[in-house]
Amino acid sequence: QQPVQSPQAVILREGEDAVINCSSSKALYSVHWYRQKHGEAPVFLMILLKGGEQKGHDKISASFNEKKQQSSLYLTASQLSYSGTYFCGTAVHKAAGNKLTFGGGTRVLVKP
Amino acid sequence: DTEVTQTPKHLVMGMTNKKSLKCEQHMGHRAMYWYKQKAKKPPELMFVYSYEKLSINESVPSRFSPECPNSSLLNLHLHALQPEDSALYLCASSQFGLADYEQYFGPGTRLTVT
Repeated sequence: QQPVQSPQAVILREGEDAVINCSSSKALYSVHWYRQKHGEAPVFLMILLKGGEQKGHDKISASFNEKKQQSSLYLTASQLSYSGTYFCGTAVHKAAGNKLTFGGGTRVLVKP
Repeated sequence: DTEVTQTPKHLVMGMTNKKSLKCEQHMGHRAMYWYKQKAKKPPELMFVYSYEKLSINESVPSRFSPECPNSSLLNLHLHALQPEDSALYLCASSQFGLADYEQYFGPGTRLTVT
């Protein structure tokens, strides 16, 4: 079953913050975050594993709440380059062939 | 080098044609994937190969036939496709077929079925 992402779209001014949520009805092993710009391939941002670890990459960080089966991606002090569609991909088992089910995506537009 | 390459970039084919998509990676990854992506939708998993063996087939119609000739190459053979099969076909790879590992995507092949 596809995880649910919210919001579906967000418009930011450069320097503003945003949070993207990804919720699953199933128990998760890992959550993967990707960003896809128009006409390009999805680019890996980070993985969060069962255990609730928070990760960061530059000014983009994420958390995974195992109890709620929810992950959040935090865009801090957004830059123009952050524009794109963000997808979360969820895996329910470690050894299930790295089978990811992607959420519907969140379109992010950062304006100057 | 974290590159996955795909050829061709664009492909237009008739419903009676046979064509193939090619994917290549030289990162030593042992898992490779085919995804289908429609416009403004997320990628949908089609097939997973792990150690050159098909490990997941997401109930994909038989008009799509994957092949993994060696650990670096992945092909998708297409035959008797339907117009609704028009989409972006993405290949990806990861070090292993375990959910701890990130997937690296190729740029995709944009397929149009006429």
